[in-house]
Amino acid sequence: GENVEQHPSTLSVQEGDSAVIKCTYSDSASNYFPWYKQELGKRPQLIIDIRSNVGEKKDQRIAVTLNKTAKHFSLHITETQPEDSAVYFCAASPTGNQFYFGTGTSLTVIP
Amino acid sequence: EAQVTQNPRYLITVTGKKLTVTCSQNMNHEYMSWYRQDPGLGLRQIYYSMNVEVTDKGDVPEGYKVSRKEKRNFPLILESPSPNQTSLYFCASSLGRSSGANVLTFGAGSRLTVL
Repeated sequence: GENVEQHPSTLSVQEGDSAVIKCTYSDSASNYFPWYKQELGKRPQLIIDIRSNVGEKKDQRIAVTLNKTAKHFSLHITETQPEDSAVYFCAASPTGNQFYFGTGTSLTVIP
Repeated sequence: EAQVTQNPRYLITVTGKKLTVTCSQNMNHEYMSWYRQDPGLGLRQIYYSMNVEVTDKGDVPEGYKVSRKEKRNFPLILESPSPNQTSLYFCASSLGRSSGANVLTFGAGSRLTVL
């Protein structure tokens, strides 16, 4: 099956700086890559996603890039704010029904 | 309000005592799935269902059963719980692959402790 690796496991940045989280996947059949944000004690919520026919997608301060050849995708958060502090999960889906998540990155934004 | 509802939210039980965690969605979603979340392991898919009476194993199905008799409900059954099933469980739903919409809407989670 698919194997998704996520780095780093923890990340601390100063408010206003950028944060980058990286994921790699193993199954070349994966074609859908969502990112979920989970605040402490809350449920995961989608923040951005990308499909394999697109190399980059942006939504305000958040962007995701995908390199299919290298099988890796990254989340970029610019101008970080304290409310960005949370655990972020990447995921890969080869079928649209099976989802394989990374182990999560705990992001702390220091005011 | 569009939502995925799980019950119970918290449960402490003993080894071997059958239990069911219910999941219900009010969005007419075709697709439903169950995940467990453990520290350092992220979210792992247990089972999923593409529609009524259609269920498939995810990455970690051992020790679990599911059923999808109605579109809105997707209960998770632990026939004989063991301590290694102590975890935080999430149910999720989406419109489904046939619609091209894979965005998962998660329930609030059910924290299960098996003694």
